[in-house]
Amino acid sequence: AQSVTQPDIHITVSEGASLELRCNYSYGATPYLFWYVQSPGQGLQLLLKYFSGDTLVQGIKGFEAEFKRSQSSFNLRKPSVHWSDAAEYFCAVGALGGSYIPTFGRGTSLIVHP
Amino acid sequence: DGGITQSPKYLFRKEGQNVTLSCEQNLNHDAMYWYRQDPGQGLRLIYYSQIVNDFQKGDIAEGYSVSREKKESFPLTVTSAQKNPTAFYLCASSLGDLRYDEQYFGPGTRLTVT
Repeated sequence: AQSVTQPDIHITVSEGASLELRCNYSYGATPYLFWYVQSPGQGLQLLLKYFSGDTLVQGIKGFEAEFKRSQSSFNLRKPSVHWSDAAEYFCAVGALGGSYIPTFGRGTSLIVHP
Repeated sequence: DGGITQSPKYLFRKEGQNVTLSCEQNLNHDAMYWYRQDPGQGLRLIYYSQIVNDFQKGDIAEGYSVSREKKESFPLTVTSAQKNPTAFYLCASSLGDLRYDEQYFGPGTRLTVT
């Protein structure tokens, strides 16, 4: 079964600084990978997804993520963080075979200091 | 505008009472899902449905029930058998059952049982 790990429970950055949120997955075949963002008390919104092709994926709100098969990672990045980016970020992995339901990581809470 | 609506946003119930959470989508999606979210736990799948009149248990289905009589509706009932029902509940839908189908989430219902 697939699994996904987000090693950082909380990340604190200053506004304008760069950001990288880590995501590691476990699955033998090519995974399908997603990053979602959740503002407090709201539902989740898709930031970007990868399922084939270019390993560097561009998303909404200036986010990008890079799929690295050798490291089983799909880290989310943003060159300059805005205060409005403060939210919970979830990585999810779906895979060929078995259940198609994606597995979500436990999330990383992003705190942005002015 | 297409989307997913969940009502109510906040729900309060006394212990021992069943309660039904509403989820409606007008995206013409075949698949619908219910997740439970607790702090630090990420999203845990309760039930999902790929087509009308069919649904499957997720990882934490005990104490919950669902129905899928219409394509656009997937209500969740939290029964008195659920030991710890206080949580944030998220409904989602996706186009179909393809591994790379992204999920669209509703705004959530926060249930408090005392």
